[in-house]
Amino acid sequence: VQLVESGGGLVQPGGSLRLSCGVSGFTFRSYWMHWVRQAPGKGLVWVSRTNSDGTSTIYADSVKGRFTISRDNTKNTMYLQMNSLRAEDTAVYYCARESTFGGGRDALDIWGQGTMVTVSS
Amino acid sequence: DIQMTQSPSSLSASVGATVTITCRTRQSISHFLSWYQQKLGKAPRLLIYGASTLQSGVPSRFSGDGSGTEFTLTINGLQPEDCATYYCQQSYSSPFSFGQGTKLEIE
Repeated sequence: VQLVESGGGLVQPGGSLRLSCGVSGFTFRSYWMHWVRQAPGKGLVWVSRTNSDGTSTIYADSVKGRFTISRDNTKNTMYLQMNSLRAEDTAVYYCARESTFGGGRDALDIWGQGTMVTVSS
Repeated sequence: DIQMTQSPSSLSASVGATVTITCRTRQSISHFLSWYQQKLGKAPRLLIYGASTLQSGVPSRFSGDGSGTEFTLTINGLQPEDCATYYCQQSYSSPFSFGQGTKLEIE
């Protein structure tokens, strides 16, 4: 079971970047997925979630209208399209799998290694 | 939005000691609370879900308790490898907020 993020890098303020999260070892289409970010030296911040078929998505207020989460279940890949990037978006971005353990209990049980996004001129 | 208040922000303890980290919310989140461990430079790891259920493969010295607005993560018999930052997260409602983290150092 593995999640591998890619697509991070250095981008100027106002620019765009698309992150990818490639999945292996489990049935990707059966799971809801999340993006979580962590600014350098700071804590974890939840960013976005997609349901299993990509028809329902939600976002943190800080990225709403600028970021778009999506997925391609035929390619076992989730994406985060990031537009109008700001310095405060600088962070390591993690993708994570949401598992439901019954009784309404769910949690992020598998995480990728993260990809660094730096927004700077 | 649900604010997660985690305490303490940092602590130091000796090998073999017992430590407790607390996470509080202003509104009830029932049992929709998870705990994660993050070692330096690594991705977070799920420890506890549903407030008190130990994730598979996590040592039994870790335990979680609580419901409603107050939750605890307890580590009984600290080991050197427990040096990490610990986070709580609520999955009751969006945005699925994390606590600010508790940095645990081993003396």
